[in-house]
Amino acid sequence: ELKVEQNPLFLSMQEGKNYTIYCNYSTTSDRLYWYRQDPGKSLESLFVLLSNGAVKQEGRLMASLDTKARLSTLHITAAVHDLSATYFCAVDNDMRFGAGTRLTVKP
Amino acid sequence: EAQVTQNPRYLITVTGKKLTVTCSQNMNHEYMSWYRQDPGLGLRQIYYSMNVEVTDKGDVPEGYKVSRKEKRNFPLILESPSPNQTSLYFCASFNRAGGGYEQYFGPGTRLTVT
Repeated sequence: ELKVEQNPLFLSMQEGKNYTIYCNYSTTSDRLYWYRQDPGKSLESLFVLLSNGAVKQEGRLMASLDTKARLSTLHITAAVHDLSATYFCAVDNDMRFGAGTRLTVKP
Repeated sequence: EAQVTQNPRYLITVTGKKLTVTCSQNMNHEYMSWYRQDPGLGLRQIYYSMNVEVTDKGDVPEGYKVSRKEKRNFPLILESPSPNQTSLYFCASFNRAGGGYEQYFGPGTRLTVT
């Protein structure tokens, strides 16, 4: 059974700092997705990673995929308060989601 | 405007009283799915549909039914709701594009079963 593990589950960081969220999965997959969810809101698609070595960047967020290591990362550069949200990864096989990383960025 | 709509947004009901949550998309997407979100568990797929009249079970299908008679609609039916189905439900739709697909999520339906 496919397992998707995100860590950390909770992340509190200072504005201006950098950090990385990790998404590990247990079976082969070439596609992985990152989503953002604000409190009380629905999910918004951030990145679609379609192949090994894929890297995508949007503003202060950069996502990458290493299918051989079965690992995706979401890197946050110079965090700002507006990035506070819960971030989910999802693996294409059966669209299995991780438990989410709740990010809080403090001034 | 491209969107996925769900109704109702909030629902409180009693055990055993049948209910339907509707989902509609205006993007002509082939794929639609239902998820439930529970604290600490992320989203878990209940059912999905690859096209009209084609549905399949996800990870947690027990206690739910779906139908896909039209491309735009994908209702979720709880024939006899129980308290363990209290959750936040999301409908989503997507099309394959370039080998992958981007999901569009509805606003969510918060269901409480007493």
